[in-house]
Amino acid sequence: EADIYQTPRYLVIGTGKKITLECSQTMGHDKMYWYQQDPGMELHLIHYSYGVNSTEKGDLSSESTVSRIRTEHFPLTLESARPSHTSQYLCASSEGYEQFFGPGTRLTVL
Amino acid sequence: GNSVTQMEGPVTLSEEAFLTINCTYTATGYPSLFWYVQYPGEGLQLLLKATKADDKGSNKGFEATYRKETTSFHLEKGSVQVSDSAVYFCALSDPFANQAGTALIFGKGTTLSVSS
Repeated sequence: EADIYQTPRYLVIGTGKKITLECSQTMGHDKMYWYQQDPGMELHLIHYSYGVNSTEKGDLSSESTVSRIRTEHFPLTLESARPSHTSQYLCASSEGYEQFFGPGTRLTVL
Repeated sequence: GNSVTQMEGPVTLSEEAFLTINCTYTATGYPSLFWYVQYPGEGLQLLLKATKADDKGSNKGFEATYRKETTSFHLEKGSVQVSDSAVYFCALSDPFANQAGTALIFGKGTTLSVSS
């Protein structure tokens, strides 16, 4: 079944740790996105990709980085996590206008 | 620039009440319009969409009509259920806005709480 997956679903870590949030999709979509969702539920685009080896920064400045080595995989990395990074991170993919979202990763940095 | 404005929540209703969540937009070109729903602890799911003026999107009893003259895409449901409690996002996609052409612009979301 075609789908989009995110792991882990929940992550609690200490300040200064390096973390990678995984996102994979089995739909063969070229375009993928990372959103940060604040406690008020508003969504902010932080990264997107048009395809393999393509990455762009989104509307909201983020200290995270992304890579796109394979079509199906779009991981997000924080080199040194801080409490200000505490948030919900949503990954999505699209082919055309509709975006398909993963279940999200809720990150808490202590 | 392109933008979406939703009514602020939370919206609190009793079961079987009528629901309206207002959404207006500003866009260049001819956007497609969407409503997404986010249930607690989950990602967003597409609820309905409309790709041109006067189109009506519908799904699970929800409806929204693309009104170009009022630049609106209000979400309605005749009789809400407790299971409809969620956050609802209005969004637009303008095919001429950027190179990708498929980045969505979301409203801030409206939380709906339905009690029995």
